[in-house]
Amino acid sequence: AQSVTQPDIHITVSEGASLELRCNYSYGATPYLFWYVQSPGQGLQLLLKYFSGDTLVQGIKGFEAEFKRSQSSFNLRKPSVHWSDAAEYFCAVGRFSGGYNKLIFGAGTRLAVHP
Amino acid sequence: DGGITQSPKYLFRKEGQNVTLSCEQNLNHDAMYWYRQDPGQGLRLIYYSQIVNDFQKGDIAEGYSVSREKKESFPLTVTSAQKNPTAFYLCASKQGTGNNYGYTFGSGTRLTVV
Repeated sequence: AQSVTQPDIHITVSEGASLELRCNYSYGATPYLFWYVQSPGQGLQLLLKYFSGDTLVQGIKGFEAEFKRSQSSFNLRKPSVHWSDAAEYFCAVGRFSGGYNKLIFGAGTRLAVHP
Repeated sequence: DGGITQSPKYLFRKEGQNVTLSCEQNLNHDAMYWYRQDPGQGLRLIYYSQIVNDFQKGDIAEGYSVSREKKESFPLTVTSAQKNPTAFYLCASKQGTGNNYGYTFGSGTRLTVV
């Protein structure tokens, strides 16, 4: 069965420090991968997505992610974190089954930023 | 601006009541989805619809029902059969096909049983 694992439930970093959020997936075919961010009480905003091509994907708000097939990973990175980046981050894999597309989400990583 | 509107933002339900969550989109997207979010569990798919008058059960459909009479609207009813309905509910729509698509999410409805 397809699944997405985000090993870190909570991460705390200092403002200005670098950030890496981990994501591992289990999927038999070529995965379509997404990272979303959610502020408290809000919906999800797409940060970036990977479908094919260059394995280093640039997104909004200075985020990037690298697809590594050999490690089944799609880790999210940012070189310098801002206080406004404090939020919950979700990795997801797009699944196509029975003629339908749907997203399978990881459990999320909550990011706290210290001043 | 195009987007997804979910209402109400907060909803309180008494035991044994059915309640309906609204989801409206003006993006002209065919596919729409309902997800349930619980702390520490990510998002789980309740129902999805590819076109008008068609919908399919997701992973946790028990205790929920939907309709899709119009392209723009995909309301979710939480019935009394749903034993633990307190959660954050997110509606989404999908744009694109094949190997280039994306999802737009609404801002959610928080349902609490009182």
